Amino acid sequence: QVQLQESGPGLVKPSETLSLTCTVSGFSISSGYYWGWIRQPPGKGLEWIGSIYHSGSTYSNPSLKSRLTISLDTSKNQFSLKVTSVTAADTAVYYCTREGTTERFDYWGQGTLVSVSS
Amino acid sequence: QSALTQPPSVSGSPGQSVTISCTGTSSDVGGYDRVSWYQQPPGTAPKLMIHDVSNRPSGVPDRFSGSKSGNTASLTISGLQAEDEADYYCSSYTSSNSYVFGPGTKVTVL
Repeated sequence: QVQLQESGPGLVKPSETLSLTCTVSGFSISSGYYWGWIRQPPGKGLEWIGSIYHSGSTYSNPSLKSRLTISLDTSKNQFSLKVTSVTAADTAVYYCTREGTTERFDYWGQGTLVSVSS
Repeated sequence: QSALTQPPSVSGSPGQSVTISCTGTSSDVGGYDRVSWYQQPPGTAPKLMIHDVSNRPSGVPDRFSGSKSGNTASLTISGLQAEDEADYYCSSYTSSNSYVFGPGTKVTVL
């Protein structure tokens, strides 16, 4: 059974960098699929952030692309997200996900709340 | 890109059917058979219910069905049950090589 678990600071100061890691169990991320991130501001809807292929190629939401870095650490079976220059608008529950074979998010982490505040 | 359009809420009595619409454009819903639906009970992570417009993952009850006509996709829940009460989000792949979600629809079981 594929399981994903997010980890990282729950509080980030404005203008600083948000960093999250997703640890995958039950599947080797180097074996295939895209792995990515989706966020949900409190009380609001879902927003796709971006994804990384097992080979390392990435694609991302055009509205966030300039501030994003998504990377893989296959030795630890993890992938990571960095968002620079955060503001209060980046406050959200961040989910890590696996993209199935046809553009769908078939496995999700439980989500982690990141608040941006001084 | 703009979000997809969904009704804020729908409701029905146990045993009834409800349908949630999801309207996009020819650049997303209308252009690709890559529409998915996700169920999110309060305080939990979303769960994939339908993919590729009308396909159910293993374990999803056949009370859930999906369809698409033009730029509008739909999720129908037949034989509504109390456990179906949740927020439902549609998602589509887009011509910009990205994904767009709808704002979510709250399903209430009366």
